[in-house]
Amino acid sequence: EVQLVESGGGLVQPGDSLRLSCVASGGAFGSNAMSWVRQAPGKGLEWVSAISHNGAATYYADSVKGRFTTSRDNSNNNLFLQMNSLRAEDTATYYCVNGGWLGIFYYYYMDVWGEGTTVTVSS
Amino acid sequence: QSALTQPRSVSGSPGQSVTISCTGSGSDVGGYKYVSWFQQYPGKAPRLLISDVTRRSSGVPDRFSGAKSGNTASLTISGLQAEDEAEYFCCSYAGPNTYVLFGAGTKLT
Repeated sequence: EVQLVESGGGLVQPGDSLRLSCVASGGAFGSNAMSWVRQAPGKGLEWVSAISHNGAATYYADSVKGRFTTSRDNSNNNLFLQMNSLRAEDTATYYCVNGGWLGIFYYYYMDVWGEGTTVTVSS
Repeated sequence: QSALTQPRSVSGSPGQSVTISCTGSGSDVGGYKYVSWFQQYPGKAPRLLISDVTRRSSGVPDRFSGAKSGNTASLTISGLQAEDEAEYFCCSYAGPNTYVLFGAGTKLT
């Protein structure tokens, strides 16, 4: 089964940038769409972004559109989330997730989650 | 992009049944069969319980069942056990513009 490990979280100031990474092991990473989901402290889950298996298509939540960019490097089993112009409301644990994509014949559910990496935006 | 509506909390005694509702609109829950449910323990990552409205993930007891009627999906947990105490989130595909919506979560005590 796929295992996912996120990294890159930390404490940044408003307006700063941060790049999260997720490395996958144990599965066919290059065949799977991937997603980012975040959870603010004490709050619910919020979908952030999804990327197709080959990186050709991406989707973003309105709350991050234009500021965040999702990409992937299938040769190294890596998923990335570039976060620019960070705001206090971006403070959350960010989860790398396998799936979360509507394919031609099937919906690929978010079936494997990493443990998350924490981003804190504060001055 | 409003979250799907779930009750903030539900409670039950061991052996009882509880149902958690998840209300959306015709653009998400009501418009697609792509509804899923997740279980999350404090400090842990969510776990996929149910997909395609009713399909249990591998290893999920048949005490967990899903359903949908119109714009409302539901998760029923029968024969409650202590380890079921957790937070539960619903999730729906919401079309090409919004893409994915989660519910705000329901804490089961």
